[in-house]
Amino acid sequence: DAGVIQSPRHEVTEMGQEVTLRCKPISGHNSLFWYRQTMMRGLELLIYFNNNVPIDDSGMPEDRFSAKMPNASFSTLKIQPSEPRDSAVYFCASSYWDGYTFGSGTRLTVV
Amino acid sequence: QKEVEQNSGPLSVPEGAIASLNCTYSDRGSQSFFWYRQYSGKSPELIMSIYSNGDKEDGRFTAQLNKASQYVSLLIRDSQPSDSATYLCAVNHGDSNYQLIWGAGTKLIIKP
Repeated sequence: DAGVIQSPRHEVTEMGQEVTLRCKPISGHNSLFWYRQTMMRGLELLIYFNNNVPIDDSGMPEDRFSAKMPNASFSTLKIQPSEPRDSAVYFCASSYWDGYTFGSGTRLTVV
Repeated sequence: QKEVEQNSGPLSVPEGAIASLNCTYSDRGSQSFFWYRQYSGKSPELIMSIYSNGDKEDGRFTAQLNKASQYVSLLIRDSQPSDSATYLCAVNHGDSNYQLIWGAGTKLIIKP
C-alpha cells in the first residue's frame, strides 16, 4: 500500500488566492481526518469524515475553509481566500478502527 | 475540556540509556492510547498502541498504562541518536473510537 497520499507537498500562494489541498486515503480505511500543525498550536483537528460523511467540522477555523469527500478514495481541503495566518503544515490521515496513518503533509505558505 | 498533557522538553538522554516519556489525560472514558514519533519536517508515525492496564513491549519500546491514575508512558531502552524526535501522546475521545485528543509532544534528544 502506498499509504496516505497528499498533494502538493509544498504550496506558496499570495494572500487572497484560493488554495486546494488533496488527499488519497489508504484503501479500506473508512475515516479521514484533516489536521493543521503549527509550532504555536500543535496538531489541530479541522474536520473528520466517516464513510465519506463529514462528522465533525467544529475545528474548521471559519467559512474560508471547506472540505469535501466525494468518494472513499479522495478528499479536498479548500481555503478561499487564503490569509498569512493560514500558513502551516496540513496533514491528512486515515483510519480503519483506531490509530491513524498520516500522509506526508502539505506545507502551505501564504505571503 | 478534555486534555492530554505532556512535558514539552527537551528531554536529553545519553546514548544507550533509557528514555522515559510521560503523558496524563483527563477523559476517564478513553480506552485507546497511542504514541507517535515525529521527526522534524516529517509526519507523525504510529509506534505504539495500548488498550489495557500494564505494560506492552515491542522491541526497544515499552508502553505503560495506568487508567486509575490516567497516566500513560513510553520507555525507550538502549536509546539511539535516531530516536531523537518529538513524541506525541494521543488518547481516543471517550465517545468515539475515531477522534483522538493530542498532547503537544515531548522533544527527545539522544546525545552520543
